[in-house]
Amino acid sequence: EDQVTQSPEALRLQEGESSSLNCSYTVSGLRGLFWYRQDPGKGPEFLFTLYSAGEEKEKERLKATLTKKESFLHITAPKPEDSATYLCAFVAGITGGGNKLTFGTGTQLKVEL
Amino acid sequence: DAGVIQSPRHEVTEMGQEVTLRCKPISGHNSLFWYRQTMMRGLELLIYFNNNVPIDDSGMPEDRFSAKMPNASFSTLKIQPSEPRDSAVYFCASSHGADTQYFGPGTRLTVL
Repeated sequence: EDQVTQSPEALRLQEGESSSLNCSYTVSGLRGLFWYRQDPGKGPEFLFTLYSAGEEKEKERLKATLTKKESFLHITAPKPEDSATYLCAFVAGITGGGNKLTFGTGTQLKVEL
Repeated sequence: DAGVIQSPRHEVTEMGQEVTLRCKPISGHNSLFWYRQTMMRGLELLIYFNNNVPIDDSGMPEDRFSAKMPNASFSTLKIQPSEPRDSAVYFCASSHGADTQYFGPGTRLTVL
């Protein structure tokens, strides 16, 4: 069964303390690996899509990478406003026009001053 | 440009009552998704439409749940009768085909 596992469940960092969030997957026919950010009381906000092993994408303090088994979200010198829950999701197989996303349970990140 | 619009933002109802959640997708998007988020199960896809046609409803928990998309700018998710275990945050998302999905702000449903 296709699945994705995120770790750690929660992470507390000091401002400026870089770290990485992990998304391990076992998916047949992976078509895309997605990262979303979710703030309390809001819907998920799209960050990145990765399609093939070796691919990397960056946005401000965030960089997402993909291997054949894992994806990492690297956070460099985080700030308190980076505090949120980070979700990864995958799309596999053939879909009927839209992307059927399957989400992990997320990593809750808190960045303190 | 307006994002995905959902209403109501909060709904409190009593067990057995009918609940209707509404969604207006981003203009020009032809795929629409309904998700449910709970602490126990995380974010789960319930059903999705492409060009107003339901494509995959395998995530709909049971017959009490139904979804419609009468036109490209409106969709509803109905629960009848509602039960306490249906309490969750329900999200609608839209995309242009297989492109990025954009989520609405969600409807927090509480069934007493």
